Amino acid sequence: GAVVSQHPSWVICKSGTSVKIECRSLDFQATTMFWYRQFPKQSLMLMATSNEGSKATYEQGVEKDKFLINHASLTLSTLTVTSAHPEDSSFYICSAREAGVGELFFGEGSRLTVL
Amino acid sequence: RKEVEQDPGPFNVPEGATVAFNCTYSNSASQSFFWYRQDCRKEPKLLMSVYSSGNEDGRFTAQLNRASQYISLLIRDSKLSDSATYLCVFSNTGKLIFGQGTTLQVKP
Repeated sequence: GAVVSQHPSWVICKSGTSVKIECRSLDFQATTMFWYRQFPKQSLMLMATSNEGSKATYEQGVEKDKFLINHASLTLSTLTVTSAHPEDSSFYICSAREAGVGELFFGEGSRLTVL
Repeated sequence: RKEVEQDPGPFNVPEGATVAFNCTYSNSASQSFFWYRQDCRKEPKLLMSVYSSGNEDGRFTAQLNRASQYISLLIRDSKLSDSATYLCVFSNTGKLIFGQGTTLQVKP
């Protein structure tokens, strides 16, 4: 089946630094990618929808200047957490959908810990 | 009211038991419904889609009740490997909305 790869799978950083997470569709072209965040024992919360070649659409309450999303190609979307703080520590998961195909494929997730 | 509501559990059942989960949703315009499985500290994986007519995949049966706005998942003959968190998911305008998940623990 289709594969979506996320990198890094885990990262620990100091407060105030920026962290970039990559999401790649390995064997299909993803016109749309979604970024989710999941806190412990909570559901996945959609942060933003990323469309190739256009600006991301952010969900209510998600700061677009803090969570920068770039979807420059049909196989890569990046999420940059700028000036990360401990409350940004979470499990970030991307998902991708191939054009014309309904199923959504998830990356393995990236666990961010901000000290 | 939350968009999706699930009993977080945990549901502790012995091997071989039959267990059922329900999930209610508030948006009557929801278009598609799914059950995902998520293992601890892993990404969610699609278990099955849910159709109005009900559908079955081996030991798993999913049903949708649009009138009452809920979906259900029935697991027969539970295996130890079924232990996981089961996420109720619906799609609206292309976005997936996830429930909190119901944790199932199957004991020997």
